Amino acid sequence: GAVVSQHPSWVICKSGTSVKIECRSLDFQATTMFWYRQFPKQSLMLMATSNEGSKATYEQGVEKDKFLINHASLTLSTLTVTSAHPEDSSFYICSARRRHTGGAIYGYTFGSGTRLTVV
Amino acid sequence: SQQGEEDPQALSIQEGENATMNCSYKTSINNLQWYRQNSGRGLVHLILIRSNEREKHSGRLRVTLDTSKKSSSLLITASRAADTASYFCAHNAGGTSYGKLTFGQGTILTVHP
Repeated sequence: GAVVSQHPSWVICKSGTSVKIECRSLDFQATTMFWYRQFPKQSLMLMATSNEGSKATYEQGVEKDKFLINHASLTLSTLTVTSAHPEDSSFYICSARRRHTGGAIYGYTFGSGTRLTVV
Repeated sequence: SQQGEEDPQALSIQEGENATMNCSYKTSINNLQWYRQNSGRGLVHLILIRSNEREKHSGRLRVTLDTSKKSSSLLITASRAADTASYFCAHNAGGTSYGKLTFGQGTILTVHP
């Protein structure tokens, strides 16, 4: 089945530093990747949508200069949290969209998430 | 922003019992999907029901959809301790089959052995 590999699974960084999170689609081409943020016991909040080869589309209220998204290839998308602060501590999850063979329904495969702690 | 309500927000049951979770949404949909999330992990797709379907089964899962009430339910029969997780409903934006997913608030299910 379709697999999205997300790394790292957890990271602790100092305030003011930058952290890069990678998501790779292992056995399919992901023309579109979604990045979510999730706080404890809450639902997923969409941060941005990235399409391969073009700029990401950010949701309202998400700072594009703080959360840099790059989708340079059909199998790799990265999220960089720049100048991280403790309030950026959260669980970040990526999701790759793919089309089911011969169908109009699209499937969404999620990475395993990254727990970011900024100290 | 998140749309959709799920209830209950938390559900605690004994192994062997059935668990029912409900989801409501506000817009027109092409399909509705249910996902499971184990603590600290990503989401796993469970089942998808199209807008022209009313009920769908997959193993111990049963999903219903009532588009007139804009609501769906997920039933897990004969629950097991391993079913302990958070469950989310989601639908595509704009009534499409490919738009970004909007998630419900989720139900935290705890199954006691």
